[in-house]
Amino acid sequence: GAVVSQHPSRVICKSGTSVKIECRSLDFQATTMFWYRQFPKQSLMLMATSNEGSKATYEQGVEKDKFLINHASLTLSTLTVTSAHPEDSSFYICSALGTSGLRDTQYFGPGTRLTVL
Amino acid sequence: QKEVEQNSGPLSVPEGAIASLNCTYSDRGSQSFFWYRQYSGKSPELIMSIYSNGDKEDGRFTAQLNKASQYVSLLIRDSQPSDSATYLCAVREDSSYKLIFGSGTRLLVRP
Repeated sequence: GAVVSQHPSRVICKSGTSVKIECRSLDFQATTMFWYRQFPKQSLMLMATSNEGSKATYEQGVEKDKFLINHASLTLSTLTVTSAHPEDSSFYICSALGTSGLRDTQYFGPGTRLTVL
Repeated sequence: QKEVEQNSGPLSVPEGAIASLNCTYSDRGSQSFFWYRQYSGKSPELIMSIYSNGDKEDGRFTAQLNKASQYVSLLIRDSQPSDSATYLCAVREDSSYKLIFGSGTRLLVRP
């Protein structure tokens, strides 16, 4: 149980385009999901906290107009990187926090590797 | 600024040895601690969680917590080459459930 999926697993796009990444909790409901970014040889950096039915909370230094987050249901959160540039190339990972008994642990998705040319 | 510190390594141990990974944290009020393993190109997977002072064992893994010293460690017994990975220490903000990650320690287990 407690499986989180991400789609796509890998995406290559041209500079200036927008890319949408989906994060789904497959067998549990997640009122809270988190979005992380990881650059090579660095640790995970939290970008934002996504709560179902409300606006995301962004960490300091993360542009909310560039990284649009939507958490429209208890099993799906999306991250859209708008007008992507090469410096946005990174490994984007989501995690989901279950409700009630599953609220103790963040379950991570497999990640999405974004390359912006 | 809440911080989690880890030695980046690499920590190199021979197969069969005990690997000891250490982590310190800055927020004295922290209550929840996690160790994740991350293979290259993959996302983190949870190994252990620990909330109380002392030791917690799960198979070949033992997590140790000392809140007075603000120190968490992970011991891996009978290390295997497949244990070679980056180990991330994470401390949770219990009010928000956010995880604050250390930079990770790279472990190399030599056959």
